[in-house]
Amino acid sequence: DTEVTQTPKHLVMGMTNKKSLKCEQHMGHRAMYWYKQKAKKPPELMFVYSYEKLSINESVPSRFSPECPNSSLLNLHLHALQPEDSALYLCASSQGEGGKNIQYFGAGTRLSVL
Amino acid sequence: AQSVTQPDIHITVSEGASLELRCNYSYGATPYLFWYVQSPGQGLQLLLKYFSGDTLVQGIKGFEAEFKRSQSSFNLRKPSVHWSDAAEYFCAVQTYNTDKLIFGTGTRLQVFP
Repeated sequence: DTEVTQTPKHLVMGMTNKKSLKCEQHMGHRAMYWYKQKAKKPPELMFVYSYEKLSINESVPSRFSPECPNSSLLNLHLHALQPEDSALYLCASSQGEGGKNIQYFGAGTRLSVL
Repeated sequence: AQSVTQPDIHITVSEGASLELRCNYSYGATPYLFWYVQSPGQGLQLLLKYFSGDTLVQGIKGFEAEFKRSQSSFNLRKPSVHWSDAAEYFCAVQTYNTDKLIFGTGTRLQVFP
C-alpha cells in the first residue's frame, strides 16, 4: 500500500480565516513533504520533515506553518492567506532522507482563498 | 544548479500511436531520475524511476524510459497510447544527497480517438 491521504479535498477560506490541511501515511515512512502547485505549473517544494523534524523550509511565508505531530501525520496550518496562495497543496512521503527515496504523493487539497 | 527541461509543453497523439516524451537534465553527476503522471485535479503517480544499472527501465501502464548519459536525457516512451493516458507528465531529478525533487515544467498529453 503506497497511500498518502490528504484532507480536506477542497477548502475555501477568507483572508482572515485560520484553517489546517492534514496529511497521513501508514507506510512507516520517515520523511514527509509539502508542495504547492499552481495551475499548469510543476509542484514546488515548501517544507520537508525528516524523522519528525523540519529539515527544509524553502523560504515559505510565515502564514504557512507546518507541524509534524508524529511520524504518520503532517499538518499545514494556514493563517491570513492571500488570494495568490490559491493552489493545489500536495503532501508526499518517502522512506527516508537523501536521494534514492521515492516520494509518494497524495491527491492534494484544492485551496481557494477569497 | 540542477535543472530539468521538458521541451514539449503539449503533445497530441491518436489512440494506438506510439509516444515519446522528452526530458533533459542538467547535473554534474548521474542523478536519480523519475517520471510522474498527474491526471486533472489529482496527485502525482510514479510511472518509473532510474537509480543505476540497466539504462532501459520499465514502469507501470506499459511505459518505459531510457537513460542516455551522453545526451543527459531520460525520455519516456509507450508503444501504443490509450485514451486513458491523457494527463500531465512530469520528469523529475533528485540529487544523491538531498530530499529535493526538481521537476520539469511538464508535458500535457492529449489523446484523440
